[in-house]
Amino acid sequence: GQNIDQPTEMTATEGAIVQINCTYQTSGFNGLFWYQQHAGEAPTFLSYNVLDGLEEKGRFSSFLSRSKGYSYLLLKELQMKDSASYLCAVRDTGGFKTIFGAGTRLFVKA
Amino acid sequence: DVKVTQSSRYLVKRTGEKVFLECVQDMDHENMFWYRQDPGLGLRLIYFSYDVKMKEKGDIPEGYSVSREKKERFSLILESASTNQTSMYLCASLSRTGNEQYFGPGTRLTVT
Repeated sequence: GQNIDQPTEMTATEGAIVQINCTYQTSGFNGLFWYQQHAGEAPTFLSYNVLDGLEEKGRFSSFLSRSKGYSYLLLKELQMKDSASYLCAVRDTGGFKTIFGAGTRLFVKA
Repeated sequence: DVKVTQSSRYLVKRTGEKVFLECVQDMDHENMFWYRQDPGLGLRLIYFSYDVKMKEKGDIPEGYSVSREKKERFSLILESASTNQTSMYLCASLSRTGNEQYFGPGTRLTVT
């Protein structure tokens, strides 16, 4: 079956670093995505990994291990505006169908 | 910037009504998607289209149909709305590189 797991909620302190994990079991794999979604708004693209390793983009980094079916999103120097849901998604092989996890709600406190 | 627009932000309909949700993108993307998002379930794919007049069922197509008469427009149709279709509906289009989906603002549909 197709399954993407990520924690439901996390809390972190402003200025700190937080790591949001995602594990997946899918029939195919053609890339892993992270999206940010503020309450009441549409998801916005954060990162895309198709090869193993770390991709860094400013305060955000995303890591992928295909052999372990594992990814994480790392947020550094947390700001209050980073309070949002973070969605992990996997694209299936041979097409553009993308499976989303339920999302991790991150609360950043002062 | 890519822009994906949806016809309504909020919609209230009665059980049994036929409902049309419209989505328009301005970047000439070929691939477009309709999702619904419910608490604790994440985004679930209803239908997608990879070209004009071409469509494929996603994971939860029952009770829905779609129309793609023009490249920029992808419509989701609820043939006979039911209360279990109360949800947030999100439209997306896929970049030409295939690396990024651009989402519309969403339509929060309530069926009473």
